[in-house]
Amino acid sequence: DTAVSQTPKYLVTQMGNDKSIKCEQNLGHDTMYWYKQDSKKFLKIMFSYNNKELIINETVPNRFSPKSPDKAHLNLHINSLELGDSAVYFCASSQDTGGMGRMGSLEAFFGQGTRLTVV
Amino acid sequence: ILNVEQSPQSLHVQEGDSTNFTCSFPSSNFYALHWYRWETAKSPEALFVMTLNGDEKKKGRISATLNTKEGYSYLYIKGSQPEDSATYLCAFMGYGQNFVFGPGTRLSVLP
Repeated sequence: DTAVSQTPKYLVTQMGNDKSIKCEQNLGHDTMYWYKQDSKKFLKIMFSYNNKELIINETVPNRFSPKSPDKAHLNLHINSLELGDSAVYFCASSQDTGGMGRMGSLEAFFGQGTRLTVV
Repeated sequence: ILNVEQSPQSLHVQEGDSTNFTCSFPSSNFYALHWYRWETAKSPEALFVMTLNGDEKKKGRISATLNTKEGYSYLYIKGSQPEDSATYLCAFMGYGQNFVFGPGTRLSVLP
């Protein structure tokens, strides 16, 4: 079974549309993340979500919003898509984040990525 | 803004060569340092999670060391093989913070 799964793998859509990318983890992890692979192939954190606490990278436009219906899911909603939103988006999860005081595994497990193309 | 750097940016070695690369990170508020292996068209996979100054971890031909006081970690690959070709990412985690990834070192092992 895939530990962290994202759907869809590819998404092509027009400017101005609203779209969602789904992420599910079956590892029982407490923390989930969304990363964007930028034009230089760097992984940049967008959001982390842990026990209903959302940490947002302040550089992320408010057109992007994470939605967590339960601990195993963290979906990414994007409103009014722009050409510059085209990128590969990765979901990840880990047992814990730094400093939570628990001895859980810090290792992050990544989904396969979603390649978003805005035309 | 946390600065996590990796060097070199890219590296070409011959099969059988041993190689190493560096990750530099802030020496304050350290919690953990991760190394990931990222093959093209796949998702990053964790190699090591290191938390203590002086840690040395080993997995097969790959090993890593950690110096939290001076803020660096080395990743070593002994006897490189073509299947080792990938981007190697380090990620710094400060206390109570998210991962911050370095830009990666792209390794190509030529047969």
